Amino acid sequence: QKEVEQNSGPLSVPEGAIASLNCTYSDRGSQSFFWYRQYSGKSPELIMFIYSNGDKEDGRFTAQLNKASQYVSLLIRDSQPSDSATYLCAVGSNYQLIWGAGTKLIIKP
Amino acid sequence: GAGVSQSPSNKVTEKGKDVELRCDPISGHTALYWYRQSLGQGLEFLIYFQGNSAPDKSGLPSDRFSAERTGGSVSTLTIQRTQQEDSAVYLCASSPNHYEQYFGPGTRLTVT
Repeated sequence: QKEVEQNSGPLSVPEGAIASLNCTYSDRGSQSFFWYRQYSGKSPELIMFIYSNGDKEDGRFTAQLNKASQYVSLLIRDSQPSDSATYLCAVGSNYQLIWGAGTKLIIKP
Repeated sequence: GAGVSQSPSNKVTEKGKDVELRCDPISGHTALYWYRQSLGQGLEFLIYFQGNSAPDKSGLPSDRFSAERTGGSVSTLTIQRTQQEDSAVYLCASSPNHYEQYFGPGTRLTVT
């Protein structure tokens, strides 16, 4: 059974601080990794993807991948109240995405 | 460009009735997925279409659920003899490459 694990939270972070969201996966053969953001009552929105070990930066977001440890993370710098949402980690496997249950992030003004 | 669209946005139906949910994917996207999300829960995979290949139906929860994709574009998810446990948001996503999935706004189904 291929699994993706995330801490359900809520993770509470002060405005302006760095939010760190973590995800582990079980399928060592996975090659593609995704972060989606889901606001309450809305559908998931793709915000970052990473395929290679290391860091990938896009604006205030940085995705980090460590395939040896089967670990992927999302850092959000200068957190804003508008970043408050549930963040879903997804791992590509056999033409589908294996989804984590999501981490609820709350940015406190 | 236009994103994924779904209709209806909300559907209230009586237990035992059949419902059809529609998804219009992004033009040119060959892969199409249906998911279900109950309140406060994660995404539950239902079915996957890729081009003209046979769909992956491994996530359908019962034989009351079926889906088709016509002409490699529009997809319809049909639930027969609806039950209260079918109440959820049904999400459709399309993808140019299986993994970068772009979601529609969903259909909220309520079975009374």
